[in-house]
Amino acid sequence: NAGVTQTPKFRVLKTGQSMTLLCAQDMNHEYMYWYRQDPGMGLRLIHYSVGEGTTAKGEVPDGYNVSRLKKQNFLLGLESAAPSQTSVYFCASSYSIGTAMEDTQYFGPGTRLTVL
Amino acid sequence: SQQGEEDPQALSIQEGENATMNCSYKTSINNLQWYRQNSGRGLVHLILIRSNEREKHSGRLRVTLDTSKKSSSLLITASRAADTASYFCATVLTGANSKLTFGKGITLSVRP
Repeated sequence: NAGVTQTPKFRVLKTGQSMTLLCAQDMNHEYMYWYRQDPGMGLRLIHYSVGEGTTAKGEVPDGYNVSRLKKQNFLLGLESAAPSQTSVYFCASSYSIGTAMEDTQYFGPGTRLTVL
Repeated sequence: SQQGEEDPQALSIQEGENATMNCSYKTSINNLQWYRQNSGRGLVHLILIRSNEREKHSGRLRVTLDTSKKSSSLLITASRAADTASYFCATVLTGANSKLTFGKGITLSVRP
């Protein structure tokens, strides 16, 4: 099993450009998440999904959109990138019980994004 | 908002010593989890402890939870250079749709 994979690993954008980050998991997990990690801030939840076709906002959703068209994939989009979105982005997935996010999360290796 | 706060922010020890890291939180939790992150990598789950548990072990790791003090500790015994990493505690609050909230992390350096 590959677990959670993310593409690309690195990307440099100019302000105003758009891009999509792809996350894929092969563990048949219902829940998927996108986080950003900034120095001294820990991980902050951007958006998450509790199942195919569903998405919900996390702590810092502004400037991002997501889609979960297939259970195994979770896409994070930046429509008009800004320097404040320079960060490391992590995708995660979990098998959760009922409606509660109680279980272990499995993380991808991250995407390092720089917006100039 | 930051739910879990780790202490200390950084810790440097000699190989073979024990490392103790602490996490405090503010409101009632369903469970508390510890994760490790090696430099430039994703987070890896270490241990999950539920609110009705007081202690769990996994290899050289021991986690305790004191819900009356709203605190947890992670003990790594007989540390190795390979334990050098950042360690995060994360909490899931009680209630439906509660999310996993991470602290800012502890940087552990184990000197050979």
